[in-house]
Amino acid sequence: DAGVTQSPTHLIKTRGQHVTLRCSPISGHKSVSWYQQVLGQGPQFIFQYYEKEERGRGNFPDRFSARQFPNYSSELNVNALLLGDSALYLCASSLGDRRYEQYFGPGTRLTVT
Amino acid sequence: AQSVTQLDSQVPVFEEAPVELRCNYSSSVSVYLFWYVQYPNQGLQLLLKYLSGSTLVKGINGFEAEFNKSQTSFHLRKPSVHISDTAEYFCAVSGPNAGGTSYGKLTFGQGTILTVHP
Repeated sequence: DAGVTQSPTHLIKTRGQHVTLRCSPISGHKSVSWYQQVLGQGPQFIFQYYEKEERGRGNFPDRFSARQFPNYSSELNVNALLLGDSALYLCASSLGDRRYEQYFGPGTRLTVT
Repeated sequence: AQSVTQLDSQVPVFEEAPVELRCNYSSSVSVYLFWYVQYPNQGLQLLLKYLSGSTLVKGINGFEAEFNKSQTSFHLRKPSVHISDTAEYFCAVSGPNAGGTSYGKLTFGQGTILTVHP
């Protein structure tokens, strides 16, 4: 079975622009979570979706939004990009309940110039 | 709220030596504990997890961790490391969301870079 896939792999944007990152979970997984990993730090939780509903939100500004589609894939949107948004964005899928491990994709490296 | 502290930012060791990567957590509720490994320019791979039961957990690649509730620790160990173990290791806890639902988030430590020298 394929693991978690993310696209694009790398992205370069300019301050003020908008970006959309995409994630496809492992087949059968209904939960998708997004994390931001700034260089030299551990990942920080942004959102969790389960069955197309938001189940959790981290401490990120409203410029960050996400959604989950009927096929359980997900998009993360970031508006009005700032230099500080430069990071590796990781998507993770799981069966849903917190007892289950989250499987991570390879990430999207976003650079804001 | 949960928090995770990884006590060492970098750990250099020689090949075939034992290693311990330390992790302490704080939480007001029961948590599940995980160790992930991240190789350069890659995502995170699960090494092992503790949900309940035996406090000694065995994972992949010869790693194991011991859950100590009184010390609120979950240290990762390997009796003999290989060059290929060079990577960054993250300890994480999974707790309930603010609303108390079971759909919890992972809270990660800052990471420990393990460098294995020949």
